[in-house]
This record gives sequence, C-alpha cells and structure tokens, in this order.
Amino acid sequence: DAGITQSPRHKVTETGTPVTLRCHQTENHRYMYWYRQDPGHGLRLIHYSYGVKDTDKGEVSDGYSVSRSKTEDFLLTLESATSSQTSVYFCAIRGQRGATDTQYFGPGTRLTVL
Amino acid sequence: GENVEQHPSTLSVQEGDSAVIKCTYSDSASNYFPWYKQELGKRPQLIIDIRSNVGEKKDQRIAVTLNKTAKHFSLHITETQPEDSAVYFCAASSLQGAQKLVFGQGTRLTINP
Repeated sequence: DAGITQSPRHKVTETGTPVTLRCHQTENHRYMYWYRQDPGHGLRLIHYSYGVKDTDKGEVSDGYSVSRSKTEDFLLTLESATSSQTSVYFCAIRGQRGATDTQYFGPGTRLTVL
Repeated sequence: GENVEQHPSTLSVQEGDSAVIKCTYSDSASNYFPWYKQELGKRPQLIIDIRSNVGEKKDQRIAVTLNKTAKHFSLHITETQPEDSAVYFCAASSLQGAQKLVFGQGTRLTINP
C-alpha cells in the first residue's frame, strides 16, 4: 500500500471549476484505475489505463477525463466540476502479491464541489 | 455488462458468532471474485479472493465459497471479533484483459461485544 499515493487528499472547490487529481505509484505496474465511492453504490470504475497514453472508459466516465504520460502517474480531471461529482475518489493499481493478481487501492481523495 | 448485487446491506452479530455476506453476479464470463474490507475513513483492503476454477477458499477465520451455476458467492467470517467491524465489498470481473471490477453495494458489519 505504501506504493500508491494520491494528491490532494482533500479538496473543496466550486461548481464549474476544473479539478485534477493525481495518483502516483512507485511499483511500475501497467494497469491503473480510478474509482469513485458514494453511499449505496459501492465503488464504480471511472477510467482505467493499461499503459502510457493507453486509457479507456469505465462505467461512469461522463464528465471525467484521464491522462497517463508516465508509468507512475495517472491523472483524473474534472473539466468543469458539478455537485454530483462530490465523492471520494480512489486510485488503484493492479499488481501481483504472492499468488494474487488483483487491485490495491490508494488512500483516497475526498472531493467536495459546492 | 456485469451487475453485482450484495446482501444484506447491514449485519449485526454477537462477538464469537459467524457472519455471512452474499453476492450474486450476472455475467457468466466473470471468473474472478475478490472481497474487500473497508474501515471508516480508510481505503478498501483485499481480504480474500477466489477464482472460478475453485469452489471454496479459506484463510484462517475467513472463507469464500463460489457457486458458478447459480452465479453467487459468499463471504464467511467465523468466531467474529470487534476488529471485524467494517464495511465489506464483493466484486466480480474477468481475469482476462483489464480486470474491470464491478462492486456490490457493500455490507456494514457490526460486531456486538
């Protein structure tokens, strides 16, 4: 878990402003993911990346864009934040720990859009 | 696409008793089923996972069972302890390709002393 960091950890912004969240990994994993977590919905996939400059949409991608110019960094951008994007955002990496090939989560970013 | 339903949404058990959380999935192509535990204000942490080529997996007090025919899988926690109190999430995906996890809605487990 120490290999994944997110910044900022908390952010309050206003409707209509752009916001960028950063996920940073130190373990050189190919796959990275962005999820949002809302009460009653569990975690939902926004976008994911399978390599530098290789990204694809998840189930709730509207209003979000991503970029990955380096293996270690995966950015999530809200071009014009709305109140419905108030959420906790988790980044995840896909890695091998022992016999398990699964996803491990970063500490999360709590975003409030006023 | 895949849809995962999780029940119950809340569960309260006495310390020392067992707890069972159930999930159903819709996509027969799913072959990977992890379970995550999330404590308040923390990140989800993987506690156990199972692949479709096995029917049961155990790790100390935690076990997961899978019924591929019925498309459901369950988490079993025995001899519950106060530190088991948390929100638990099931998920499903294919191991091939991107491993796009689809999560259940979560179960808030409370262990009463």
